[in-house]
Amino acid sequence: EVQLVQSGAEVKKPGESLKISCKGSGYNFIHYWIGWVRQMPGKGLEWMGIIYPGDSDTRYSPSFQGQVTISADKSITTAYLQWSSLKASDTAMYYCARYRATNVMDVWGQGTTVTVSS
Amino acid sequence: QSALTQPASVSGSPGQSITISCTGTSSDIGGYEYVSWYQQHPGKAPKLLISDVSNRPSGVSNRFSGSKSGNTASLTISGLQAEDEADYYCSSYTSATTRVFGGGTKLTVL
Repeated sequence: EVQLVQSGAEVKKPGESLKISCKGSGYNFIHYWIGWVRQMPGKGLEWMGIIYPGDSDTRYSPSFQGQVTISADKSITTAYLQWSSLKASDTAMYYCARYRATNVMDVWGQGTTVTVSS
Repeated sequence: QSALTQPASVSGSPGQSITISCTGTSSDIGGYEYVSWYQQHPGKAPKLLISDVSNRPSGVSNRFSGSKSGNTASLTISGLQAEDEADYYCSSYTSATTRVFGGGTKLTVL
C-alpha cells in the first residue's frame, strides 16, 4: 500500500526551530515529487513547495521562499519541512503529498499540527 | 503568485447539480492542462477528485466531472448527495513551475 506517514503534533515557542517529517512507503520514493501544503486554522490550502527526492531538486512558493526549508533523505524515504525560527503565524496543519504527475497529488499524509505559542 | 479565485460557498439540494468555478490567468489555468480538484471533509486530509482538468481517478464517483475554458476551470457535481458536503479546492501548475491552490469553496447540501 502506498502511504505517507507524518510525524506527530508539535507545540513550540516563538523563535524555536522545528523539523517535521513525511515518510513514504509502498512505492519508489526517489521517483515521485513530494509537496508540502499549509492549512491555517479555519482557512484554505496553501501550496508551500515541492522536492524531488532523487536529486533534491526543490521549488518554493514565493510566499514561503526563505521562510522554510524543504529537504529529503532518500536513504530512509523521508521528506522534511523545517523552520529555523518559528512565529505564532506558523501555527497550522501541514500536509505532505505525493505527486503522481505534474499537478496530481494522489496520496496525502495524515497531517502534522504545529502550534507556536509563548 | 496569487491564489486562484473560487466562490466561497455554493449550495444545492440532494439530487441537484452544482458547478464550482476556479479562475486564474494565462500563466496558470489558461496556459496548461494541469488543473486538479480536491475534496476535504472536516478534520480530514484532502482527497484527489479530478486530475489534468477532467480525468477521474479510479474509485472516484462519476458524479464528479471537470472541465476548462480559457482561464477558468470548473468542477461539476451531479446528483448531489449528503456526503458531498465538504470543502473543494482547485489547483493549477504555473509558468514559474510552482503550483497554486484556489481559496476553497464550501459546499452545503440543503
